[in-house]
Amino acid sequence: DVKVTQSSRYLVKRTGEKVFLECVQDMDHENMFWYRQDPGLGLRLIYFSYDVKMKEKGDIPEGYSVSREKKERFSLILESASTNQTSMYLCASSSLGLETQYFGPGTRLLVL
Amino acid sequence: QQQVKQSPQSLIVQKGGISIINCAYENTAFDYFPWYQQFPGKGPALLIAIRPDVSEKKEGRFTISFNKSAKQFSLHIMDSQPGDSATYFCAANNFNKFYFGSGTKLNVKP
Repeated sequence: DVKVTQSSRYLVKRTGEKVFLECVQDMDHENMFWYRQDPGLGLRLIYFSYDVKMKEKGDIPEGYSVSREKKERFSLILESASTNQTSMYLCASSSLGLETQYFGPGTRLLVL
Repeated sequence: QQQVKQSPQSLIVQKGGISIINCAYENTAFDYFPWYQQFPGKGPALLIAIRPDVSEKKEGRFTISFNKSAKQFSLHIMDSQPGDSATYFCAANNFNKFYFGSGTKLNVKP
């Protein structure tokens, strides 16, 4: 079974803090994705990566950065957290050439 | 601007009834249309998917109907069960980028 794990299920941070969200997949997938999920807006793509050290902006990259130093790990970084970044963050992975995405359980982030 | 429009936002169906969720898209370059099911506290999981060269795909009680000319596709859940209560997302794929609908919260009453 494909497993995508996220480092935290719940996080509470203060405005201005630097926040790291970690995602690890165990299926040797090339592609990894970060989404945020908000009520009424569905899932919106923040960043994705096709390979180690490669990244591409999604639809809402402002205020976020990513890091992919190893194939299995994809990190989302909030450089200076703001209250409008309070959301559910979902990581996903997929194999090159196959469209099925496998999602982690999500991290619910609250920025105060 | 949402690339994939999904309706309704919420749906209440009696046990044994048919649940229907609709999605529409504009970009004709989309070539893969999955539906994801998400239970509370969990990430979305692939339920069923279709490609545009097929008009219908059925897996158990779940059917996707696809209308290429109208750029619409829908999910039908036959004999809906309380265990089907979840949020459903349609999506469309183009070059490994996915665009998701806004989600439909389905509640199946016993």
